[in-house]
Amino acid sequence: KQEVTQIPAALSVPEGENLVLNCSFTDSAIYNLQWFRQDPGKGLTSLLLIQSSQREQTSGRLNASLDKSSGRSTLYIAASQPGDSATYLCAVRPLQGAQKLVFGQGTRLTINP
Amino acid sequence: DTAVSQTPKYLVTQMGNDKSIKCEQNLGHDTMYWYKQDSKKFLKIMFSYNNKELIINETVPNRFSPKSPDKAHLNLHINSLELGDSAVYFCASSQNPAAGELFFGEGSRLTVL
Repeated sequence: KQEVTQIPAALSVPEGENLVLNCSFTDSAIYNLQWFRQDPGKGLTSLLLIQSSQREQTSGRLNASLDKSSGRSTLYIAASQPGDSATYLCAVRPLQGAQKLVFGQGTRLTINP
Repeated sequence: DTAVSQTPKYLVTQMGNDKSIKCEQNLGHDTMYWYKQDSKKFLKIMFSYNNKELIINETVPNRFSPKSPDKAHLNLHINSLELGDSAVYFCASSQNPAAGELFFGEGSRLTVL
């Protein structure tokens, strides 16, 4: 059974710092991995989707990497801003039961001005 | 123009009542989902429809009945509401059930008193 873990559960850093959020999954048989952002009281916004054949994806100040064999993904945020404060969730789409995304519990990120 | 929209955003009701949440997507996607996010922020899939056909029913009590009148709409009706049904319910869609990027609505917060 696929399990997704995100550590730490919460992170607080000063504005301007570069930071890394971690996501690990137990079964490397995946189609893809997706990173989301969730603001309080809001839905999930898709940030990046990495296919299993890819190593990384970039969008603006965000860079997501995928090491499928070790069951790990990282989300790198460069030059953090207070507006980046949110909960970040990763989700994997397993090869078996591909219709069901399996989510981690998220990392609550606070950027202090 | 909202891609995945759901109504109502907030729902407060008494135990034993019946309520419905509606969802519409204008992305032209074939697949729609209902997810439940509990108080610990875990997101779990409940149902998925592909082209109006049910493809996932994730051991949800039969008090929950999804209906998809067409592939752009997926509604969720809940009978005989219980305290434990209190959660945020998210609608989502993807191009296809197996590999596409997921897009979420803003959520419907249900509180059962």
